[in-house]
Amino acid sequence: EPEVTQTPSHQVTQMGQEVILRCVPISNHLYFYWYRQILGQKVEFLVSFYNNEISEKSEIFDDQFSVERPDGSNFTLKIRSTKLEDSAMYFCASSEIGQEIYNSPLHFGNGTRLTVT
Amino acid sequence: SQKIEQNSEALNIQEGKTATLTCNYTNYSPAYLQWYRQDPGRGPVFLLLIRENEKEKRKERLKVTFDTTLKQSLFHITASQPADSATYLCALKRGSQGNLIFGKGTKLSVKP
Repeated sequence: EPEVTQTPSHQVTQMGQEVILRCVPISNHLYFYWYRQILGQKVEFLVSFYNNEISEKSEIFDDQFSVERPDGSNFTLKIRSTKLEDSAMYFCASSEIGQEIYNSPLHFGNGTRLTVT
Repeated sequence: SQKIEQNSEALNIQEGKTATLTCNYTNYSPAYLQWYRQDPGRGPVFLLLIRENEKEKRKERLKVTFDTTLKQSLFHITASQPADSATYLCALKRGSQGNLIFGKGTKLSVKP
């Protein structure tokens, strides 16, 4: 069964450094998402992306964050200057159809654990 | 503000029994509700979706109900097995844009 893949599985970085988290969504999916989960907390929505632009973002997704689909397969999340509180598991997800109208389930990757020291 | 609450942080049951997990929401009028399973260190995995005009949905040993008057969904696992041990998340579409918002989850432990 097709799956969403994320790399790296674990990233350790120093505060203030830039990180790029990478995702390869399922190939025929058109909608892409980033969620994060701080240890012991709920899965939180960050951003959704469709047709090469952000369709929605949460209040968490501030100017430090950006997303990009640099080619036909990868979807990346960049954090420009990491803070200690950015430490979390970051999940990429994709769906065949958008959430706005249709009830398409999300297919998640297994996440990148980001540790900011 | 909009809230999703999963009432039990943890639920321990004996193998073979039925597990019932609760999801309540406030200040929403969702068109549908989804349930996911999450294992430690892994991403959520979609299980079931139920629409507002459906009272009940079944898939193998899983059953979901959706009561829009009570603003509540119940998730049942019948004949539970130790392999069902995981955290179960409910999720709702947020507002007009529609991206999924998750509850904190209920950690289910099924003892042999």
